Amino acid sequence: GQQVMQIPQYQHVQEGEDFTTYCNSSTTLSNIQWYKQRPGGHPVFLIQLVKSGEVKKQKRLTFQFGEAKKNSSLHITATQTTDVGTYFCAGTSGSRLTFGEGTQLTVNP
Amino acid sequence: NAGVTQTPKFRVLKTGQSMTLLCAQDMNHEYMYWYRQDPGMGLRLIHYSVGEGTTAKGEVPDGYNVSRLKKQNFLLGLESAAPSQTSVYFCASSYSRSPLHFGNGTRLTVT
Repeated sequence: GQQVMQIPQYQHVQEGEDFTTYCNSSTTLSNIQWYKQRPGGHPVFLIQLVKSGEVKKQKRLTFQFGEAKKNSSLHITATQTTDVGTYFCAGTSGSRLTFGEGTQLTVNP
Repeated sequence: NAGVTQTPKFRVLKTGQSMTLLCAQDMNHEYMYWYRQDPGMGLRLIHYSVGEGTTAKGEVPDGYNVSRLKKQNFLLGLESAAPSQTSVYFCASSYSRSPLHFGNGTRLTVT
């Protein structure tokens, strides 16, 4: 079945450092979504990528969708303490949406 | 503007007890989902529904049942709770294949 793998599982950074999480699918995706979950909270939708090679930016966050539509990345420039949380990718293949295991980001002030 | 509302927020059960988790959404979404979240395992789909009166199995359906009698409500039942069902349960809803809107979650402990 479809698998979506996300690395790293954990990332600790100093405030101001950059952060990247990677998402890889075993199958070609029709789209990929990214969610953020704050500690003790629920996942909140950030963005959806649909096109091959697509790049979208939200302030300090940059999202990329691979040319083969099997991988994606989220890059945060100059992390802040408000970026703390777990970032999930979720890929759609056919009618199924599969979540990655998430990357838990901690930011030391 | 409530969005997706889950009740209860917390619950402790003894092994063998039953309970129902309620999810309600006020966004007129067709699709509704139940996920469980365990440390290091992300979100795993238990059951989902593509419309009133329809339900389907997800990745981890065993030990759970669901019902969607009204479009705005999606119920998750545990007939005989087991310690392996200790988890955080999230309900979500969406239009067709658009992004998911999640509820605040229910933290369930089975002793």
